[in-house]
Amino acid sequence: GENVEQHPSTLSVQEGDSAVIKCTYSDSASNYFPWYKQELGKRPQLIIDIRSNVGEKKDQRIAVTLNKTAKHFSLHITETQPEDSAVYFCAAEDTGFQKLVFGTGTRLLVSP
Amino acid sequence: GAGVSQSPSNKVTEKGKDVELRCDPISGHTALYWYRQSLGQGLEFLIYFQGNSAPDKSGLPSDRFSAERTGGSVSTLTIQRTQQEDSAVYLCASSSALSYNEQFFGPGTRLTVL
Repeated sequence: GENVEQHPSTLSVQEGDSAVIKCTYSDSASNYFPWYKQELGKRPQLIIDIRSNVGEKKDQRIAVTLNKTAKHFSLHITETQPEDSAVYFCAAEDTGFQKLVFGTGTRLLVSP
Repeated sequence: GAGVSQSPSNKVTEKGKDVELRCDPISGHTALYWYRQSLGQGLEFLIYFQGNSAPDKSGLPSDRFSAERTGGSVSTLTIQRTQQEDSAVYLCASSSALSYNEQFFGPGTRLTVL
C-alpha cells in the first residue's frame, strides 16, 4: 500500500518568510496529491491539490510542486502570515485500495 | 448543502464502558473514513467504507473497535470496553466515489475515558 512521509514535523518562521513542507510517496501509480490545513481545534480542510498531469499549481500565496519521477511533492507558502500557523497534512492516493493516505503532519508556527 | 456531521461532539465515559460515535456524511458521498487524532498528533486511519465494497479495516487498533455503515450513509464507530488510551478526537470524513476527490471532514467527537 501507499506510504507517505512528511518533513519537517515542526517549522518555525518569521512573518513574511517562506515556508516549505515536503512529502514523499511510494505508490508510483498515484495521481492525486492534496494538502490539508488544520487550525487549532478545528477540522482539516483542503487548501490546494495537484494531479499528476501538472508539475506545479499556484493559488495566491500557496503553491504545490510535484516530481513524479522522484515521487515527492512540496507545499510552498510565501509571505507567511500569523494566520498561516496551523498543522498541514499532505496526502496521496493508494491506488490499490482507492483511498487517500495522509502524512504525519507539519506544525507551522509563524511569528509576528 | 449540509456538511459532514458527527455526534456527540463530546463524550466522557468511564473505563470499561462501551461507546458509539455517529457520522452523517454528505448526501451522495459513497466513501467514508474514520480517523483518530490524539492531542497534538496526526491523523490515524481507522477504517474506510467505499460503496458496497468490503470495508478496509486495516487501521483498527484492536478488536475492541468496530464500525458499520448502514444503507451506504450513516456510520457508527463502536469502541467496546474503553481504555484511557482511547481518549482522542475521532474524525469522520466523506468524499464522492473516487479516491481523487476532496475529503470533507466532520467536526469530530472528543472522547474522554476516565
